[in-house]
Amino acid sequence: QLQLQESGPGLVKPSETLSLTCTVSGGSISSSSYYWGWIRQPPGKGLEWIGSIYYSGSTYYNPSLKSRVTISVDTSKNQFSLKLSSVTAADTAVYYCAGGGDEFDPWGQGTLVTVSS
Amino acid sequence: QSALTQPASVSGSPGQSITISCTGTSSDVGSYNLVSWYQQHPGKAPKLMIYEGSKRPSGVSNRFSGSKSGNTASLTISGLQAEDEADYYCCSYAGSSTFDVVFGGGTKLTVL
Repeated sequence: QLQLQESGPGLVKPSETLSLTCTVSGGSISSSSYYWGWIRQPPGKGLEWIGSIYYSGSTYYNPSLKSRVTISVDTSKNQFSLKLSSVTAADTAVYYCAGGGDEFDPWGQGTLVTVSS
Repeated sequence: QSALTQPASVSGSPGQSITISCTGTSSDVGSYNLVSWYQQHPGKAPKLMIYEGSKRPSGVSNRFSGSKSGNTASLTISGLQAEDEADYYCCSYAGSSTFDVVFGGGTKLTVL
């Protein structure tokens, strides 16, 4: 049974870079869902796809965030990561990692990242 | 890339059936059989209920079904139960020229 767990700072200052890691357990990141994704949800709002990565490293980003997003994979650690640069208060959200590229299962529990000075 | 359109809320009584619509365009819902649906209870992560338009993952009740007509996908829940009260989101692949994924705005289901 695949399980995903997000980790990273819960508070980031405006203009800085948000960095999160998703650790995959119960299976190999190279052989399971093949695609891995990041989705976020601002407080009280809906879901937004941030981007997805193929286990080989090919990346796909939301066009509206593309200039600020980097997703990478570390197969040796069974992890994939998200970096979002130049954050503002509008980037405050629960960030989820999930298995999949255009359909997502399973999901991590999510981690709240607040952008504030 | 615009969000898919869902009704803000729907309601139904226990035992009844409800349908949640998800309207997109010919660039997303209408072009691909890659619509998925998610159930989200308060404070919890979303859960995949339907994928590829009408397929149910293992463990999901057969009371949940998905369909599509043109640019509109639908999620039907039959035999409503109190535990079905949650937010529901649709999602579609939208990559006509580049890989892209779009979610709907979400629908709050209330079981009366």
